[in-house]
Amino acid sequence: QQQVKQSPQSLIVQKGGISIINCAYENTAFDYFPWYQQFPGKGPALLIAIRPDVSEKKEGRFTISFNKSAKQFSLHIMDSQPGDSATYFCAVSQSPGSSNTGKLIFGQGTTLQVKP
Amino acid sequence: EPEVTQTPSHQVTQMGQEVILRCVPISNHLYFYWYRQILGQKVEFLVSFYNNEISEKSEIFDDQFSVERPDGSNFTLKIRSTKLEDSAMYFCAISRDRVTGELFFGEGSRLTVL
Repeated sequence: QQQVKQSPQSLIVQKGGISIINCAYENTAFDYFPWYQQFPGKGPALLIAIRPDVSEKKEGRFTISFNKSAKQFSLHIMDSQPGDSATYFCAVSQSPGSSNTGKLIFGQGTTLQVKP
Repeated sequence: EPEVTQTPSHQVTQMGQEVILRCVPISNHLYFYWYRQILGQKVEFLVSFYNNEISEKSEIFDDQFSVERPDGSNFTLKIRSTKLEDSAMYFCAISRDRVTGELFFGEGSRLTVL
């Protein structure tokens, strides 16, 4: 089953615009929601993450919005730059304490292109 | 400097051959993971490794796969008899602890099975 659904699959934004990527999850036991950025030929790199005790987290131009009741979270990239062009993956995880091992379950990915 | 180094960066092998992919963390970490990414697709969990044993594995991680940490440093993924569908990027990931949930990924090893 698909535990994390990510949309859109691809996104084209003009430089200076706002990029928005959405993710929805099913299991309410998940309590860690990171976003990873991946450039071609590289490994995923942690961009920003949130836990469900807050509804929003901002780091520079990157913001995560979290809606616990809707089981959705999104990544907002403000003032998008050509250097932001990459693939973005949302992920979910469950804290240890149960049978969980800290593994991440990734969304399908969104390819972002920021046009100059 | 990356938290973890992977070798080889690219390996081409014939179907049926054994492949070993290596991961070397730069400092002591407790939790190790292997993930796979088929070209253009999402990153998929294979296996997690803690305290010198497998703690969880996915349905992808069948009997053809094995992991070990033979010398307390290198963390290896072995595919005994490669298949065409094993062609993918394989990423090692490490975590300092499971409280923060942060996983750091290596640059990956590209495996091409002919």
